[in-house]
Amino acid sequence: NAGVTQTPKFQVLKTGQSMTLQCAQDMNHNSMYWYRQDPGMGLRLIYYSASEGTTDKGEVPNGYNVSRLNKREFSLRLESAAPSQTSVYFCASSEWGGLSSYEQYFGPGTRLTVT
Amino acid sequence: EDQVTQSPEALRLQEGESSSLNCSYTVSGLRGLFWYRQDPGKGPEFLFTLYSAGEEKEKERLKATLTKKESFLHITAPKPEDSATYLCAVPPLGGATNKLIFGTGTLLAVQP
Repeated sequence: NAGVTQTPKFQVLKTGQSMTLQCAQDMNHNSMYWYRQDPGMGLRLIYYSASEGTTDKGEVPNGYNVSRLNKREFSLRLESAAPSQTSVYFCASSEWGGLSSYEQYFGPGTRLTVT
Repeated sequence: EDQVTQSPEALRLQEGESSSLNCSYTVSGLRGLFWYRQDPGKGPEFLFTLYSAGEEKEKERLKATLTKKESFLHITAPKPEDSATYLCAVPPLGGATNKLIFGTGTLLAVQP
C-alpha cells in the first residue's frame, strides 16, 4: 500500500497564479484533510471531508477551495496565489467517527513557494 | 480558547540520556490526546492515543502518560534514530469529529 500520496512535491508560483494540489489514499478511509504547516504555527486545518460528497471549512480556509473527487481523492485549489500561502501542505486521511478518526495518516507534503 | 502548548521547543540529548517532553492543554471535556512523530521533510506519523487521565502507552523507548491537564512523552535511553519533532494534538471542544488542534512540537535531537 502506498498510503497517502501527494503531487507535486515542490512548486513555485508567482503571485496571482493558480494551481491544484492532488492527494490520493489507498486505505479505504472515509475522511480526508488538508493542513498547512508554518514555522511556529504548527499544523492548521484548511478543509476537511468527513465522507465522500461532503466538505467543510477548517481553521484557515480563506483563499482555498477543495474537491472530494471520489472516496480516494481530495484536491486543494489555490485560485489566486499570494505570498502568505507559502507553506508546506499536508494531506491526511482517517476513518470516520470515534477515536480512530483522530489517528490520521499523512502524506509526504507539498512545499509551495509563492513569489 | 482551546490551546495546546508543548515544551520545550527544542531538546538536545546525548544518546542514553533519558528525558521527558510536555504537552499541556486547555480544552475542557477532553476527548483524547494524540502524539505524532514528524521526521524532517516528511508528514507526521501517528504514535499514541491517550483517552483518560492515568492512562499510559508504550512503544519501544517511548512512553506517553496523561493527566487531567497535560501529557508527557518520556524517552528512555534514546538513540539517534529517535531524533524528530514530536507533536501532540487534541480535539477541540464542540468541534466536529475528526478535527484536531496541534501543538507546535518539540524538536528532539539525540547525539551519539
